Amino acid sequence: KQEVTQIPAALSVPEGENLVLNCSFTDSAIYNLQWFRQDPGKGLTSLLLIQSSQREQTSGRLNASLDKSSGRSTLYIAASQPGDSATYLCAVNTGNQFYFGTGTSLTVIP
Amino acid sequence: DAGVIQSPRHEVTEMGQEVTLRCKPISGHNSLFWYRQTMMRGLELLIYFNNNVPIDDSGMPEDRFSAKMPNASFSTLKIQPSEPRDSAVYFCASSFTLFNQPQHFGDGTRLSIL
Repeated sequence: KQEVTQIPAALSVPEGENLVLNCSFTDSAIYNLQWFRQDPGKGLTSLLLIQSSQREQTSGRLNASLDKSSGRSTLYIAASQPGDSATYLCAVNTGNQFYFGTGTSLTVIP
Repeated sequence: DAGVIQSPRHEVTEMGQEVTLRCKPISGHNSLFWYRQTMMRGLELLIYFNNNVPIDDSGMPEDRFSAKMPNASFSTLKIQPSEPRDSAVYFCASSFTLFNQPQHFGDGTRLSIL
């Protein structure tokens, strides 16, 4: 069974700082990987989806990378803002199942 | 554009009662997913549908759980009888295709079984 881990569980940074969130998975046979953010009391919002054949995806200040062979993905957030404060989750799609990490709770301090 | 709509937003009921959660996916989306989120177990996929047909229900925890999708614009997740350990936030999500497109989540139903 695929296991998805996100470290650290919580992260606090001052506004303006660049930061990296990590996601690791145990089985490299994945279909794609998706990054989400979750605000308190809300559902998940999709940020980026990387297909298994891709190395990275970018959207605005966000850049996600994927290294299947090492079982790792990173989400890079440039010039962080207080509005980026949320929990970030990664989800691995194996082709017939989705496995989510437990998330990294990010706080950006003004 | 209306997103995924779930109802009710909150449900509090007593153990043994039947609970029905409802979901309206985004129009035009062909795939629908039901998830459960708890502090202990995180986010778990329960069941998913493609073109109204259940594809994989291996995540459904027990026979007390059942899900239906009678048409492209409506799905239900039913728990009968409910137990306190079923307390969680239940999310519905939809996407254009089963695996290649991002999933769009509703705001969830917070279920408390007393």
